[in-house]
Amino acid sequence: ETGVTQSPTHLIKTRGQQVTLRCSSQSGHNTVSWYQQALGQGPQFIFQYYREEENGRGNFPPRFSGLQFPNYSSELNVNALELDDSALYLCASSPGLASYEQYFGPGTRLTVT
Amino acid sequence: GIQVEQSPPDLILQEGANSTLRCNFSDSVNNLQWFHQNPWGQLINLFYIPSGTKQNGRLSATTVATERYSLLYISSSQTTDSGVYFCAVLTASGTYKYIFGTGTRLKVLA
Repeated sequence: ETGVTQSPTHLIKTRGQQVTLRCSSQSGHNTVSWYQQALGQGPQFIFQYYREEENGRGNFPPRFSGLQFPNYSSELNVNALELDDSALYLCASSPGLASYEQYFGPGTRLTVT
Repeated sequence: GIQVEQSPPDLILQEGANSTLRCNFSDSVNNLQWFHQNPWGQLINLFYIPSGTKQNGRLSATTVATERYSLLYISSSQTTDSGVYFCAVLTASGTYKYIFGTGTRLKVLA
């Protein structure tokens, strides 16, 4: 148990729809990173939030967006869903911007049909 | 960017056997971490090991930063060790983020 929770656990959406995934960080952690893990691949960095501001982004299009709230929980929003967006979405919380400690949540499995 | 390669991609062992998993990375890194991903997708931290050797029970890891590789040793494997093992390197170019390898899928047979 890492103390990081994600919701929902599973989700099925249709191509073109929009989806919001949620992450509650571990107590005391102010930094949240989001990763996408396609089937058979390692997780890929989407973006990171620190104290409600985006602090770096991977190679993902603008239809992937996020938010971080004052309690440091976070949302990942994906617009105009494509079939290739089907993946496990993982969030990781860490105690600070320059910390190497990242604790991962259990993930949300998104299927786009 | 940094490339992370893991070998072997797949490994099947009989319970009780030992194994060595390898991770090569293409540039110097701030940190390296080994994870075990269980069948439900949860990533479990095994070791933070930017250099040197660490041991935790039947698992141990060694990173030789100057030669850009890390090894994960699993001794006396058990069926519960099955899953995918990832190494991930921490890069601090602008953002502290992990770059993951493609993983080693381990299956331990009873």
